[in-house]
Amino acid sequence: DQQVKQNSPSLSVQEGRISILNCDYTNSMFDYFLWYKKYPAEGPTFLISISSIKDKNEDGRFTVFLNKSAKHLSLHIVPSQPGDSAVYFCAASAEGGGADGLTFGKGTHLIIQP
Amino acid sequence: KAGVTQTPRYLIKTRGQQVTLSCSPISGHRSVSWYQQTPGQGLQFLFEYFSETQRNKGNFPGRFSGRQFSNSRSEMNVSTLELGDSALYLCASSPGGGPSYEQYFGPGTRLTVT
Repeated sequence: DQQVKQNSPSLSVQEGRISILNCDYTNSMFDYFLWYKKYPAEGPTFLISISSIKDKNEDGRFTVFLNKSAKHLSLHIVPSQPGDSAVYFCAASAEGGGADGLTFGKGTHLIIQP
Repeated sequence: KAGVTQTPRYLIKTRGQQVTLSCSPISGHRSVSWYQQTPGQGLQFLFEYFSETQRNKGNFPGRFSGRQFSNSRSEMNVSTLELGDSALYLCASSPGGGPSYEQYFGPGTRLTVT
């Protein structure tokens, strides 16, 4: 049973436009959410996170929105740049790290077109 | 600071053999987690070590084991390798002492079982 779902395996966005990556979760115990970015042949790199007590967190071009009632979060990248082309993973954690560590989605491959 | 390092980067083993992977965390980080990444299952949590003790464990068979040394370096061992163990094995470190939310990943070890 997949507790963190990224339903779009890939997403193509034109350079300069907004990229919106979506993530849904089923476990109501999750209280901390993270986005990671991964280039080929490298490990995932932490991008941005949000606690369940907030509904928005912003860091430069990256904003994460959390809708707890819908168990949904999204990552907005504005404006999108060619270097943003990568696989993006959504991850979630229950308080205290939980028995499952970080639970990851399967990733969305973002392609920024010139 | 130097990042998380993993050795070896690539490994080819035969079914039935055993393998040991190594991870050196970021200096000062006391928590080390291991993940398995496969195309079908995405990133799955194996286990986490903190101060030489296994603190959390994912849902993997007993063939997968690990340990952590006093300098926080960690090893992961897989015995009686199966074809399905072919994957990218990622190690991540965090300062620890509390919920290991923001983890810093190494480049991974690509294990191929033939």
